[in-house]
Amino acid sequence: EVQLVQSGAEVKKPGESLKISCKGSGYSFTSYWIGWVRQMPGKGLEWMGIIYPGDSDTRYSPSFQGQVTISADKSISTAYLQWSSLKASDTAMYYCARQSPGEYYFDYWGQGTLVTVSS
Amino acid sequence: SYELTQPPSVSVSPGQTARITCSGDALPKQYAYWYQQKPGQAPVLVIYKDSERPSGIPERFSGSSSGTTVTLTISGVQAEDEADYYCQSADSSGTYRWVFGGGTKLTVL
Repeated sequence: EVQLVQSGAEVKKPGESLKISCKGSGYSFTSYWIGWVRQMPGKGLEWMGIIYPGDSDTRYSPSFQGQVTISADKSISTAYLQWSSLKASDTAMYYCARQSPGEYYFDYWGQGTLVTVSS
Repeated sequence: SYELTQPPSVSVSPGQTARITCSGDALPKQYAYWYQQKPGQAPVLVIYKDSERPSGIPERFSGSSSGTTVTLTISGVQAEDEADYYCQSADSSGTYRWVFGGGTKLTVL
């Protein structure tokens, strides 16, 4: 069974750093792109970027380029989303999701990680 | 940057047909995909490649495409269909970037 299990909710202060994770299981982790999606409170879905764990090829939405870093550790089948200096506006639910092979949609989603940034 | 435009809300009575549109300049060249999201849950794919239905999705969900607009149709709407619906597609400029529409809240009256 394909599963994407994300790390737990985080409460951070502005200026702090953070790295959240997404662990894949039940499939060949290195053979599928993993993407990240932001959903701010009461708002819609925003595509942030995507990584191919096999070779760490990474693509970013222009809106998120330079604001976050997407990475992966294929040895432990885990993808990451990280911030070096959080802002209150980073408060959101973040989902990881697996790209369907050869297609441009997500077929499996993680449960989401809620990040709250508040002083 | 590439954008997909959806109506913010659609309302229908149970048993009626709901149609949710999504417009974007690249849609004649790129497939569209539709996700359903209920409160507190992760999105679920309901239509892929404009009109294909994943296994496990009820037949009342269908999709179509015409020019720069794609449409998600839900026939015989049920109360459980009340949710947010998002279209999604890919930038056709070769940059490998995806985009979501702003989402449509379907209310079952």
